[in-house]
Order: sequence, then structure tokens, then C-alpha cells
Amino acid sequence: DTGVSQDPRHKITKRGQNVTFRCDPISEHNRLYWYRQTLGQGPEFLTYFQNEAQLEKSRLLSDRFSAERPKGSFSTLEIQRTEQGDSAMYLCASSPLPRRGNEKLFFGSGTQLSVL
Amino acid sequence: KQEVTQIPAALSVPEGENLVLNCSFTDSAIYNLQWFRQDPGKGLTSLLLIQSSQREQTSGRLNASLDKSSGRSTLYIAASQPGDSATYLCARGGSSNTGKLIFGQGTTLQVKP
Repeated sequence: DTGVSQDPRHKITKRGQNVTFRCDPISEHNRLYWYRQTLGQGPEFLTYFQNEAQLEKSRLLSDRFSAERPKGSFSTLEIQRTEQGDSAMYLCASSPLPRRGNEKLFFGSGTQLSVL
Repeated sequence: KQEVTQIPAALSVPEGENLVLNCSFTDSAIYNLQWFRQDPGKGLTSLLLIQSSQREQTSGRLNASLDKSSGRSTLYIAASQPGDSATYLCARGGSSNTGKLIFGQGTTLQVKP
């Protein structure tokens, strides 16, 4: 499979619990992005990595959120002490390094989080 | 503040019609403009990417245009089919080349057989 893979597809948790999502990008893609999407809205940027370095984080990413990409391959997104407002689709995307500004993002199918 | 707006939020057309989806953005200093398709409960599929130096891109029945001066992009779908039913999202790339995209809220298209 050469696409972006996300696990799990669905996660139901109780408020206050910690959750962790995993993303496997397309191999050889240096960049990896996390976005969050709520119902009826477009995705919102959370953070991105170039290889293992986290280069930018949105102010949407509170201190309860942490993302890692330890070996420059797969990435994890952890949410601590989940709140009902965290309920959303969490999307991962990857891309190669940009050349001449041509940079398409390839998205995974997302992890749907429901916080009860 | 950089914003992206898509109008209409929803659109229903009979099969075979040609249609145009609209996207407007603030700040003409965009890096690129991308159009995506999203099926219910799924991720996004990239359709077309227009670099800031380009005016349009075409793929099959799809044509996307970019007018930076007016802050507008359009996605033209020719001879629509029921399989085109989905949400279409436009997204602008920022002035720095990070791939960080700012999305509109999408237009949900229904093509009736």
C-alpha cells in the first residue's frame, strides 16, 4: 500500500482519558502534517514535521497535544486529558520536499475521535 | 488574517450539467491554490494544484482557475456525473513554502441521476 495510513479509524473515549493516534506517511515523503476537521468545516492545520524535526505548531495545539516523529517515518499524535471539544476527525498528510513550489499533499482517511 | 471562503455551501444539479464552484481568499500573496475532494467520512483527495505563477490547471473534466488580483479561484466541472457527488474544498498555500494550507469550509455537491 503506497498511501497514507492512519490508525485507528475510529476512537471513542471518555472525557479525561488520553488517546494516541498513529500515521504512516507515504515512504520517501519527508514532510508530514496533522490537521483537525470538525463537522461541516474545512481542515485546520495543527503541526508539521520535516523528517524528525517539528517545524511549526498552530496555536490550536494546546499543551495537552503532543506530536512526535522520532525516526522521520511514522508519527504519533497524543491528546492528554481529552475534552468534549476535542471530538473531531484528525487527518494526517504527507508530501515530498517542495520543488519549484509544486507540493501536493496526500491525505490519509483520518481518525474520527468521539469524546463522551 | 488569511481566510478562505467557499460559496455556495451546498449545490444540487441534475446529471450532465456543467457547474462552477467558487473560492475566494484574502491576501493575494498566496503560494499556491489547491482543490480537494472529500467523500463522507473519508480523507481528502487532491484534484488540482495551481501555482501562484499559473492561471489555470486542467485534469479530465475538471478545470481550475486562479485570479490572484481578485482573490478568486473557480473549479469548473464539465458534464457532471452522480459519481462527482462529494464535498469540494479549496485551500491556499501560505506565502512561505511549508505546505501549511488554509482551507475553505467546502461546497457539498449532489449530482442527481
